[in-house]
Amino acid sequence: AQSVTQPDIHITVSEGASLELRCNYSYGATPYLFWYVQSPGQGLQLLLKYFSGDTLVQGIKGFEAEFKRSQSSFNLRKPSVHWSDAAEYFCAVGAQAGTALIFGKGTTLSVSS
Amino acid sequence: KAGVTQTPRYLIKTRGQQVTLSCSPISGHRSVSWYQQTPGQGLQFLFEYFSETQRNKGNFPGRFSGRQFSNSRSEMNVSTLELGDSALYLCASSWTGGGSNTGELFFGEGSRLTVL
Repeated sequence: AQSVTQPDIHITVSEGASLELRCNYSYGATPYLFWYVQSPGQGLQLLLKYFSGDTLVQGIKGFEAEFKRSQSSFNLRKPSVHWSDAAEYFCAVGAQAGTALIFGKGTTLSVSS
Repeated sequence: KAGVTQTPRYLIKTRGQQVTLSCSPISGHRSVSWYQQTPGQGLQFLFEYFSETQRNKGNFPGRFSGRQFSNSRSEMNVSTLELGDSALYLCASSWTGGGSNTGELFFGEGSRLTVL
């Protein structure tokens, strides 16, 4: 079955510390992978995407993610977290670019001062 | 460039009623997708329209329907509302004309439906 697992429901990180959000997927075909961020009361904003090529992808707001096919993972990282990064983060996978995405349940990030 | 616009942003209905939600995609985007977001089930794909045709459909009952107009604007309708239909309904549009941004979903802020 196709699925996306985000093992961490809630993570708290100190401002300035590094961040890694985990994402594991189960997908039969070559996956298209995405990370989205959602602030309270807002829609989803795309942070980064992986379609093919270099397995380390750079996104907006200083985020990056690494695709590891052998581990079926696509973890999101940021070297130094800012208070404004507090939000909910979603990993998603699809068969082709953009349509019928399967989303993980999300990880809520809190940033402490 | 204007983003994806969804109306209304908030609405309250009672069980048994029906509701219509509207989505205006980014100019030039011909694909429109709808997702339902609830605390329990998370984000679930409803359907996708391209050039006025439903191209893909998720696992939702027939009470959920949609359509797309010639200007790419889309509406979704939920009939005979149930309490469990309370959710944030998100619309997303995407460019399908080739290039590195093909298929990338741009989401609206959603329509929050409360069913009493």
